[in-house]
Amino acid sequence: DAGVIQSPRHEVTEMGQEVTLRCKPISGHNSLFWYRQTMMRGLELLIYFNNNVPIDDSGMPEDRFSAKMPNASFSTLKIQPSEPRDSAVYFCASTRAAASGPGANVLTFGAGSRLTVL
Amino acid sequence: LAKTTQPISMDSYEGQEVNITCSHNNIATNDYITWYQQFPSQGPRFIIQGYKTKVTNEVASLFIPADRKSSTLSLPRVSLSDTAVYYCLVAYAGTGRRALTFGSGTRLQVQP
Repeated sequence: DAGVIQSPRHEVTEMGQEVTLRCKPISGHNSLFWYRQTMMRGLELLIYFNNNVPIDDSGMPEDRFSAKMPNASFSTLKIQPSEPRDSAVYFCASTRAAASGPGANVLTFGAGSRLTVL
Repeated sequence: LAKTTQPISMDSYEGQEVNITCSHNNIATNDYITWYQQFPSQGPRFIIQGYKTKVTNEVASLFIPADRKSSTLSLPRVSLSDTAVYYCLVAYAGTGRRALTFGSGTRLQVQP
């Protein structure tokens, strides 16, 4: 398996532009998580999906952020319009969903998408 | 909602054993404790997972006391390549949801 695949790896854009980050989870994993990482705030959970359904989006900073998972093999995180404070590394992670027990928290992360908003 | 607490940073020298302790007072009965390692410019990577007592794999050992309110990640004979940030993660399932929230992590610096 190629692991969790994210694209783009790097994106530089100007304030006000729309940004779309993409994620392909590991085949067979039915939980998908989006995280944002900055030096100041560390790793923040933005949203997660179980079986393509958003379960908790309380971490999404504001309405400019939206996430979708149209099928089991693809998810997007969109920022519109982007602002300089959105500059961060965005990680996607996946796992097999289990309420508890072995493997419940074993996330596999992608390499991340480094976003710079000028 | 309780959170995990870890030391912000630790320093060590090559060849030494490093122990990083994480406090998780409100761990739920069915929750497992999971540790991750993150190198610069990479996503966190799974190291080890346990429920109670001791777990050992080729990378580390995990010690969990009977009350499970803390756990200790033990890295034997560290090398320079073990310099990284280490996170402990516990899923709080009390609300029926499973928001896997990372704490601040422990930044380990291994010196030659």
